[in-house]
Amino acid sequence: DTGVSQNPRHKITKRGQNVTFRCDPISEHNRLYWYRQTLGQGPEFLTYFQNEAQLEKSRLLSDRFSAERPKGSFSTLEIQRTEQGDSAMYLCASSSFRDSDYEQYFGPGTRLTVT
Amino acid sequence: GQNIDQPTEMTATEGAIVQINCTYQTSGFNGLFWYQQHAGEAPTFLSYNVLDGLEEKGRFSSFLSRSKGYSYLLLKELQMKDSASYLCAVRDSNYQLIWGAGTKLIIKP
Repeated sequence: DTGVSQNPRHKITKRGQNVTFRCDPISEHNRLYWYRQTLGQGPEFLTYFQNEAQLEKSRLLSDRFSAERPKGSFSTLEIQRTEQGDSAMYLCASSSFRDSDYEQYFGPGTRLTVT
Repeated sequence: GQNIDQPTEMTATEGAIVQINCTYQTSGFNGLFWYQQHAGEAPTFLSYNVLDGLEEKGRFSSFLSRSKGYSYLLLKELQMKDSASYLCAVRDSNYQLIWGAGTKLIIKP
């Protein structure tokens, strides 16, 4: 399977703990996006990378959130000192900077529950 | 501000046709996407419009009017498996996707 993969698929953590999620994009894609989605809402943009460079970060994103893509391949999203409001589905997507075809391919997501 | 509007929920009958509308106001326009999302799953790409007009892909068609800031997704010969949320997303001047909240489509036998 050469699609986008995310690990873990589910994470339950206690408030105040740190969590880290991993995303492996489609291998030839140089753009990688992180989104957060809550029930009944569309995905909310968090940040995106082109290769290893983090080009944009949502102004709504707390300093507790950080993302890396050290070698321009996989990416990690860390949430420090989790809060109950962080409970959501965290989606990763990748795309190829090719002409005007920027369709984003999504991974299965990591569902975070903060208790 | 940037805004994508689509109905929250729609109901249709198996075998029928349904049209899901989307209106948008964004800073710039570089294409409009429709995605399908089944409950608990990730969105999957359905269609892309960047020029005015209709794009047809099997049972699904998508229409765009840039002057009106309007698009619709047309689903024909509805099947039970089409029960899902349908997300409209616009790529803005920064090539970022701005997402609507999605339309939950319920198909009844």
